[in-house]
Amino acid sequence: QKEVEQDPGPLSVPEGAIVSLNCTYSNSAFQYFMWYRQYSRKGPELLMYTYSSGNKEDGRFTAQVDKSSKYISLFIRDSQPSDSATYLCAMIPVDNYGQNFVFGPGTRLSVLP
Amino acid sequence: DAGITQSPRHKVTETGTPVTLRCHQTENHRYMYWYRQDPGHGLRLIHYSYGVKDTDKGEVSDGYSVSRSKTEDFLLTLESATSSQTSVYFCAISEVATSTDTQYFGPGTRLTVL
Repeated sequence: QKEVEQDPGPLSVPEGAIVSLNCTYSNSAFQYFMWYRQYSRKGPELLMYTYSSGNKEDGRFTAQVDKSSKYISLFIRDSQPSDSATYLCAMIPVDNYGQNFVFGPGTRLSVLP
Repeated sequence: DAGITQSPRHKVTETGTPVTLRCHQTENHRYMYWYRQDPGHGLRLIHYSYGVKDTDKGEVSDGYSVSRSKTEDFLLTLESATSSQTSVYFCAISEVATSTDTQYFGPGTRLTVL
């Protein structure tokens, strides 16, 4: 079993839809959770950063962490064609040092106009 | 891309040849990382550096070496390239390496080993 799992997609939705992207993980030491967005042939860029359980909202994006279920989600409201990208979750343990980032394989999202 | 450049952006080489990829940053960040990205595997850490001449291995370091002689440059070398090293390579930087920090990525180098 991989340490972090994501449905690879592709996930296709119509413009304006609410999108839910998810990751599950197995290591209970993970405390910090991130979502990166990666456009085709570009490097990943940080989208959201959350600590421990709960929700965090930033514009159309909401990150949700459920540590009891070892499950994190990214919700995108009013999705736009410009949201079409691959979304990577990443997580690090409480005693993180930079080399302990663990990334999910990514979910490819396509928002159709 | 947070002041990070990678060169070359694309390279095609033959099995058995040495290859060096360069990462250059203008952010004066202490920590630099090399990842490879392959379908189904996500980003996997190859090597990282926590200062000039200070480097350590990551998850998939076999067949790779690194050097950092200046704060701004981090080189990744494939001593004798193999087809299994065909991948997209990303450099990342971070200011510190604590739980509240995060990593910023360069644009990537697409390497094909024939």
